[in-house]
Amino acid sequence: GEDVEQSLFLSVREGDSSVINCTYTDSSSTYLYWYKQEPGAGLQLLTYIFSNMDMKQDQRLTVLLNKKDKHLSLRIADTQTGDSAIYFCAENRPSGATNKLIFGTGTLLAVQP
Amino acid sequence: NAGVTQTPKFQVLKTGQSMTLQCAQDMNHEYMSWYRQDPGMGLRLIHYSVGAGITDQGEVPNGYNVSRSTTEDFPLRLLSAAPSQTSVYFCASSYSAGLKREKLFFGSGTQLSVL
Repeated sequence: GEDVEQSLFLSVREGDSSVINCTYTDSSSTYLYWYKQEPGAGLQLLTYIFSNMDMKQDQRLTVLLNKKDKHLSLRIADTQTGDSAIYFCAENRPSGATNKLIFGTGTLLAVQP
Repeated sequence: NAGVTQTPKFQVLKTGQSMTLQCAQDMNHEYMSWYRQDPGMGLRLIHYSVGAGITDQGEVPNGYNVSRSTTEDFPLRLLSAAPSQTSVYFCASSYSAGLKREKLFFGSGTQLSVL
């Protein structure tokens, strides 16, 4: 994506917390998203946060947004082996009369049993 | 409910060949888009459409054409395939063109190799 950056790889042990980080570019983006991609499949939306929020919690998932630094993070509590996947952040970037969803490079999360 | 259907799942082409990747959705979605996924580069937007008869370019449109003659279908055409177009291609749709809170529904992908 256009300069939406993520670290490429994260390895954690089952039961630990995982934190995946993302830096985006456009301060006018209204929504920011986290998508999950399991092997051989398309992406599925995990959660999203509106740009005027600092934090959103959804069961084991916590999204933190630092708008000043354009930094987004996803925390997964009590990480399970089924959480192993590639995680993409995305920003909803205004483009003329509509919006474009620009994805980051993806972070591969490997959960060790 | 089929959702977003992409065909074929796999394709091998020779340099210079043409082909069309098909995408259909049965959810009456206004917005449809094509992404390519390459290692270390995430998903990059190729083309998108906000309704029948309306298309626009994304981040990496060169070498690809699209059309949207119906709400349901959004084919992606490679007129003269190049090895740089070897990638996994995803079609995605959403209820409204504004995106906002509506999530993108993704197809299962087409793995394309150009030799």
